[in-house]
Amino acid sequence: DAGVTQSPTHLIKTRGQQVTLRCSPKSGHDTVSWYQQALGQGPQFIFQYYEEEERQRGNFPDRFSGHQFPNYSSELNVNALLLGDSALYLCASSLGQGDFGSPLHFGNGTRLTVT
Amino acid sequence: AQSVTQPDIHITVSEGASLELRCNYSYGATPYLFWYVQSPGQGLQLLLKYFSGDTLVQGIKGFEAEFKRSQSSFNLRKPSVHWSDAAEYFCAVGPRASGGSYIPTFGRGTSLIVHP
Repeated sequence: DAGVTQSPTHLIKTRGQQVTLRCSPKSGHDTVSWYQQALGQGPQFIFQYYEEEERQRGNFPDRFSGHQFPNYSSELNVNALLLGDSALYLCASSLGQGDFGSPLHFGNGTRLTVT
Repeated sequence: AQSVTQPDIHITVSEGASLELRCNYSYGATPYLFWYVQSPGQGLQLLLKYFSGDTLVQGIKGFEAEFKRSQSSFNLRKPSVHWSDAAEYFCAVGPRASGGSYIPTFGRGTSLIVHP
């Protein structure tokens, strides 16, 4: 049973560029959440997708956008990259928008470095 | 707004010793509380969760946590630490948001170092 998979594992981009990160949820899960984890910090919630719509959003600018596909996989897009966007980006999946009987399952993350 | 404080950035223990990691939360109602562990280069794994009922919660890998409402705390404990427990530990609080989803708010984490 495959868990949450994220690609790529590492990425280096230049300021001003755009980046797309990808996530496949755990088999049977239909909800995907994205988190940003800066070095030495806890994960910060970016947004959550369910039924191909953004359902919840954290305190992140519009440069951060996403998409969920009919197979429940998801993409995170970041435009106009800033140095401060350098972080580990975590994808978490769950069933039914995080019902308490279905905790978040995290992928191993994508390490984004902006130079 | 909800928040989580993990006052210890680093904790060092000897293998076989007992462990307690502190977590204090701020939330206006009965919270939903979680502990996650993150090994180097890995994502977060759920250790245990508290929703209601018995205030002493058992988790995986021999961990337990106790919810103390009067102290707004949810400390994580383990009676005997193994070298493989060295990792980053995150406490999180998460209410049920509108529409049935919950979005945990994480603390900044405590790094556990285990000496042989």
